[in-house]
Amino acid sequence: EVQLVESGGGLVQPGRSLRLSCAASGFTFDDYAMHWVRQAPGKGLEWVSGISWNSGSIGYADSVKGRFTISRDNAKNSLYLQMNSLRAEDTALYYCAKERSNPRYFDLWGRGTLVTVSS
Amino acid sequence: NFMLTQPHSVSESPGKTVTISCTGSSGSIASNYVQWYQQRPGSAPTTVIYEDNQRPSGVPDRFSGSIDSSSNSASLTISGLKTEDEADYYCQSYDSSNRGVFGGGTKLTVL
Repeated sequence: EVQLVESGGGLVQPGRSLRLSCAASGFTFDDYAMHWVRQAPGKGLEWVSGISWNSGSIGYADSVKGRFTISRDNAKNSLYLQMNSLRAEDTALYYCAKERSNPRYFDLWGRGTLVTVSS
Repeated sequence: NFMLTQPHSVSESPGKTVTISCTGSSGSIASNYVQWYQQRPGSAPTTVIYEDNQRPSGVPDRFSGSIDSSSNSASLTISGLKTEDEADYYCQSYDSSNRGVFGGGTKLTVL
């Protein structure tokens, strides 16, 4: 089955760290760029970070640059998001999304993992 | 920073046609393709339009997309509205640094 399954979310105190994972299956993972997109409770979608198929191109939203690090392990069909110095405003449902390359759009999403930053 | 602006909400009756706009903040919205995603409550987004006006397989032709360079905006039009179309809709593109950008989302109510 073609799917993305996120994990690693939870309740964390401000200033602490958390690492999210996304397990991919049913497609050739290392053929595609991957992204993290988040959605705060009751709010809209926010692009967080993206990584090319070979990790050669990486980008971050200004809101997380310097605090979050995206990475991937193609041998394990997995995408990661290391989140440091977490803030209350990072509280959101974090989606992993696969980017189809030509045409270019997000064609597969996971169900998301919830991150709550609170003391 | 490049931003996409959408109306907060729109509403229309079943069987009618509704158009949702998405306006680029700077530069030309035609510089990068625009996608539209539908998100129903409690579910992940799904694509209804990619590359400005293309429909993925399985998306009915009631959904169409367009670009208006004169107003620097993209539009999603849904004709023959059905109650199942009630959802949040997001436009999406990329900025000059190739980072993803989403519009704020539009809540469509079919009443």
